Amino acid sequence: EPEVTQTPSHQVTQMGQEVILRCVPISNHLYFYWYRQILGQKVEFLVSFYNNEISEKSEIFDDQFSVERPDGSNFTLKIRSTKLEDSAMYFCASRTRGTDTQYFGPGTRLTVL
Amino acid sequence: AQSVTQLDSHVSVSEGTPVLLRCNYSSSYSPSLFWYVQHPNKGLQLLLKYTSAATLVKGINGFEAEFKKSETSFHLTKPSAHMSDAAEYFCVVTRLWFGNEKLTFGTGTRLTIIP
Repeated sequence: EPEVTQTPSHQVTQMGQEVILRCVPISNHLYFYWYRQILGQKVEFLVSFYNNEISEKSEIFDDQFSVERPDGSNFTLKIRSTKLEDSAMYFCASRTRGTDTQYFGPGTRLTVL
Repeated sequence: AQSVTQLDSHVSVSEGTPVLLRCNYSSSYSPSLFWYVQHPNKGLQLLLKYTSAATLVKGINGFEAEFKKSETSFHLTKPSAHMSDAAEYFCVVTRLWFGNEKLTFGTGTRLTIIP
């Protein structure tokens, strides 16, 4: 069964550094999402992406964040200058047309020191 | 606007006994409702979803949930708990058939199974 994959599974970085989190959505899916879960808190929406542009973004998704679909398979989340409070589990999700069911990847745990 | 409230942060049941995880929702629109499960160090797996068809929804691993509009509830149940059910469970709401709508998560319920 097709799955959403994410790399790396764990990323450790220094405050102020740039990180890129990578996702490979399910191949025929057209809608892509990033969510995050700070330890002990609920999963929060960051951004949705369709047709090579952002559809919606939350207040969390400020100018330090960007998303890109650089080719036909990858979907990336970039944080330009990481802060301590960016430490969280980041989930990528995707969905196909005609359903509102989103399928999630296993997540990338980002630790900012 | 939409939100979900999971009424219990932690539920413990003995193996073989019924499971009830409670969820209430609030939505200005007709909702789609989901339950996702997260096993330790794993991603989010879809258990089941409600999208305005049958109000009793069956999911994977013997779980089911009933949509009750009058009570704005979508509780998750299972007749007999198994050790492998130990996980975090999230109730999730989105706007029904609204295209690229984000998911709104509850705070989660950690289910512990006592041998």
